[in-house]
Amino acid sequence: SQQGEEDPQALSIQEGENATMNCSYKTSINNLQWYRQNSGRGLVHLILIRSNEREKHSGRLRVTLDTSKKSSSLLITASRAADTASYFCATALRSQGGSEKLVFGKGTKLTVNP
Amino acid sequence: GAGVSQTPSNKVTEKGKYVELRCDPISGHTALYWYRQSLGQGPEFLIYFQGTGAADDSGLPNDRFFAVRPEGSVSTLKIQRTERGDSAVYLCASSSLGGTPLHFGNGTRLTVT
Repeated sequence: SQQGEEDPQALSIQEGENATMNCSYKTSINNLQWYRQNSGRGLVHLILIRSNEREKHSGRLRVTLDTSKKSSSLLITASRAADTASYFCATALRSQGGSEKLVFGKGTKLTVNP
Repeated sequence: GAGVSQTPSNKVTEKGKYVELRCDPISGHTALYWYRQSLGQGPEFLIYFQGTGAADDSGLPNDRFFAVRPEGSVSTLKIQRTERGDSAVYLCASSSLGGTPLHFGNGTRLTVT
């Protein structure tokens, strides 16, 4: 089963605009991560935010986390055509035996038009 | 190696056959994950290894699916009596510790005809 739900499912914007994607989850988490996937390729890690953090930045990426609402958002500023990809949130859950596993949402498909 | 390597990149098999999918993780990574991804969906968790043992196999859909990692490095996902519904991209990922950022391979696209 999948823990996270991204919103919107698809987003189309013009180059230079900002893109905001949201993720909601159901259970307590240790951290939340965002990944990017280009068509036909594996996923690439973008950014990790811990459960005790509220906001994190990395280059043109800004991630927020609201544990009371069980939600996160990913903002990509000044988007480029090369940002076109699918974006997934993944929550790190305490697994059986005390280890952690990552559970992914269904993703947001972002298209940035030149 | 430089990254996570999965072989084969594509596999076409007939319904009822047995298949093995291989994953070679980044050297030194103790955590290894298998996911399955259908078209338009997110990766679905299958199994997670910490070292040689399966720390969590709760995502394996049924007893036709089995995975091993005998020496704590290379892992093999085995599917018996394949069904058309098994068609998907099977992704492998590794990390230095469970829960830390994953490094993904490019996946094996399995097609069951």
